[in-house]
Amino acid sequence: EVQLVQSGAEVRKPGESLKISCKGSGYVFTSYWIGWVRQMPGKGLEWMAIINPRDSDSTYSPSFQGQVTISVDKSFSTAYLQWSSLTATDTAMYYCVRHGYYSAGYPGTPVYWGQGTPVTVSS
Amino acid sequence: QSALTQPRSVSGSPGQSVTISCTGTSSDVGGYNYVSWYQQHPGKAPKLIIYDVTRWPSGVPDRFSGSKSGNTASLTISGLQAEDEADYYCCSYAGTYTWVFGGGTKLTVL
Repeated sequence: EVQLVQSGAEVRKPGESLKISCKGSGYVFTSYWIGWVRQMPGKGLEWMAIINPRDSDSTYSPSFQGQVTISVDKSFSTAYLQWSSLTATDTAMYYCVRHGYYSAGYPGTPVYWGQGTPVTVSS
Repeated sequence: QSALTQPRSVSGSPGQSVTISCTGTSSDVGGYNYVSWYQQHPGKAPKLIIYDVTRWPSGVPDRFSGSKSGNTASLTISGLQAEDEADYYCCSYAGTYTWVFGGGTKLTVL
């Protein structure tokens, strides 16, 4: 069974850094792209970024480029999303997703979702 | 890269059918047959219900169906059931390993 287990809720102050994680299991970690999706309180889904766990090739939405960094540690089958300096507008639920139903040159759509990591940024 | 346009809300009675539209551009919805739909119940993670415009993941009932014409994709839910009440999001590949979601539609089962 494919599972994505994310790290727990975080509370930080503006200006602080943060790294949240997403551990994949039940499949070959390096065979499927992993992405991150933001959902601000009461709002819709926003696609943030995607990474190929095999070679760490990554792409960011223009809205999130330079604001966050995604990475993976293949040895731990874990993907990460990190901020160097949080602001209040980063308060949201963050989901990691495993893509699937891929074809040549297309990583596939988000198929499996983690349970979400709520991040609160407040002074 | 703007969000795809969905109606804020739709409603229907049990047993009826409803259709949710998702309008993009030729750079996303119109350019690729890679539109997906997600169902999200309150407090839960989204669940994939349609991918590649018309395909069902395993376990999703065929009451859910997808289609596309030009820059607009649609999700139709037939035989509405109380448990279908949820938020629905479309998502389209937008090229160069990027994706874009719709703003979401709240479905109310009357």
